[in-house]
Amino acid sequence: EVQLVESGGGLIQPGGSLRLSCAASGFTVSSNYMSWVRQAPGKGLEWVSVIYSGGSTYYADSVKGRFTISRDNSKNTLYLQMNSLRAEDTAVYYCVAVAHYWGQGTLVTVSS
Amino acid sequence: QSALTQPASVSGSPGQSITISCTGTSSDVGGYNYVSWYQQHPGKAPKLMIYDVSNRPSGVSNRFSGSKSGNTASLTISGLQAEDEADYYCSSYTSSSTLDVFGGGTKLTVL
Repeated sequence: EVQLVESGGGLIQPGGSLRLSCAASGFTVSSNYMSWVRQAPGKGLEWVSVIYSGGSTYYADSVKGRFTISRDNSKNTLYLQMNSLRAEDTAVYYCVAVAHYWGQGTLVTVSS
Repeated sequence: QSALTQPASVSGSPGQSITISCTGTSSDVGGYNYVSWYQQHPGKAPKLMIYDVSNRPSGVSNRFSGSKSGNTASLTISGLQAEDEADYYCSSYTSSSTLDVFGGGTKLTVL
């Protein structure tokens, strides 16, 4: 059974940094494409970033230059480093494996 | 504004069929057979219901079906049940630099 468990969310001040983690089991992170998708409170889904098995990465225009997606193959874990956070980054962040499997999400709140 | 356009809401009675549309452009929905549909109940993570336009993952009821015509994809739910009441989102691969886009979501109410 595939399980994705996100962690690292919390309350952060504008301009701050946060790193989200997504620990995978029953699934090999390095062999497939992995994504981050977010959902602001009461809003729809927004694709954030993807990393392919070969290492190529892509970002939504709204986070380009501020967020970095990466993975640790030895830990079978996906990361999202978020810098220069803004109020509009407040959302539940989901880790998604090959668009099929979703984690339970971790809430990031950017507020002073 | 979302890249893909969905109706804000649809409704139907138990046992009826409903269809949710998802309209894009030739750069996304119309250009690729990579349309997915997700179901999301309140407070829960989205669940994949349809992928690659019309394929159902294992375990998803055959009451759910997907199709595409031109730049518009559709999700049809037949034999509506109370538990189908949820938000539904479409997504598509896109040739733009973002690679993936979602629709704004459709709230399905089972009357």
